[in-house]
Amino acid sequence: DIQMTQSPSSLSASVGDRVTITCRASQDISHYLAWFQQKPGKAPKSLIYAASILQSGVPSKFSGSGSGTDFTLTISSLQPEDFATYYCQQYNSYPFTFGPGTKVDIK
Amino acid sequence: EVQLVESGGDLLQPGGSLRLSCAASGFTFSNYAMNWVRLAPGKGLEWVSTISDSADTTYYADSVKGRFTVSRDNSKNTLYLQMNCLRVEDTAVYYCAKDPYHDAWGQGTLVTVSS
Repeated sequence: DIQMTQSPSSLSASVGDRVTITCRASQDISHYLAWFQQKPGKAPKSLIYAASILQSGVPSKFSGSGSGTDFTLTISSLQPEDFATYYCQQYNSYPFTFGPGTKVDIK
Repeated sequence: EVQLVESGGDLLQPGGSLRLSCAASGFTFSNYAMNWVRLAPGKGLEWVSTISDSADTTYYADSVKGRFTVSRDNSKNTLYLQMNCLRVEDTAVYYCAKDPYHDAWGQGTLVTVSS
């Protein structure tokens, strides 16, 4: 099975900050990576698929990059509604696997 | 508008069984693979199962293989998850998610397994 790791596990940031989250796969997954945002008590929301393609309706402050084993999610200017937990997921092969999550909270 | 509505969550004892449902609307259900994902208390998201659009292929996480069965009724636009031999560690909010790329999610249904 492909293992996914994320760093950091949590971070504190201020409104307006640029935030970068890293996701690493235990083996080459090409570009088969998605990013999700989840707020407490809410369903996850799809942000990015194929490592860098924004889902319809997702603001352009979110961007993704990477291929192979190393990926990043960047939020260009953090806003109050962006404080949440972010997960990466590989869908290169079954079983699909999520990273452990990165919690972004207010400094 | 795509809508996914889960139901069937409950409180039950270890060893029990439960069937979850996910009612879909706003898209051609029979054209898309569907997934179940869960979120246990204090834990991260865990992919549980995927079923192909025609139901001829299914996949499961090792943690549920042999105990859970995913199915669908394309005539009713509904996805199911039959959960047997439930364990305390199956306690979670269960979400259905539409492919491709889990692009839409339901609000979740809570399953609590406790003695």
